[in-house]
Amino acid sequence: GENVEQHPSTLSVQEGDSAVIKCTYSDSASNYFPWYKQELGKGPQLIIDIRSNVGEKKDQRIAVTLNKTAKHFSLHITETQPEDSAVYFCAASRTYALNFGKGTSLLVTP
Amino acid sequence: ETGVTQTPRHLVMGMTNKKSLKCEQHLGHNAMYWYKQSAKKPLELMFVYSLEERVENNSVPSRFSPECPNSSHLFLHLHTLQPEDSALYLCASSQDRGLNEQFFGPGTRLTVL
Repeated sequence: GENVEQHPSTLSVQEGDSAVIKCTYSDSASNYFPWYKQELGKGPQLIIDIRSNVGEKKDQRIAVTLNKTAKHFSLHITETQPEDSAVYFCAASRTYALNFGKGTSLLVTP
Repeated sequence: ETGVTQTPRHLVMGMTNKKSLKCEQHLGHNAMYWYKQSAKKPLELMFVYSLEERVENNSVPSRFSPECPNSSHLFLHLHTLQPEDSALYLCASSQDRGLNEQFFGPGTRLTVL
């Protein structure tokens, strides 16, 4: 089955800096790659997703890049703010079943 | 709020108890999911229902029994659980059983003593 590796497991940045989280996947047939943000006491919430026919997608301060040849994708958050502090999960899928990474705990310090 | 509610939010039960988790979605979606979230592990897909029909049972022990009476409600019936079943149980829904955004509820924090 699909195996998704996510790094780093923890990330601390200063407010205003950029944060990058990287994921690799094993199933070359995967074609849908969502990123979820989970705040304390809440369920994961989709922040951005990308499909395999696109190499990059941007939404305000958040961007995702996909390299299908290397089977890795990354989340980029620019101009980080304290409210960006949360756990971020990547996932890869070729069906309805999402295969998640273990998560990255991001801390943005003022 | 995401439009997916779960009750109870916290549950403590003994190994011999029987309890149920409830999920309700107000989004008009046709697919619903149960996930297990344990510390230091990826979210694990447990069950998938599409139009009230179970389409996936991801090798989950029989002490977990799902029920989907209609497209808006999903239950997870629990009996004779083990301490290692303690985790956050998340319900999600999506428009259909395709590559679509899944909307998650806040989860039920389960502790098995």
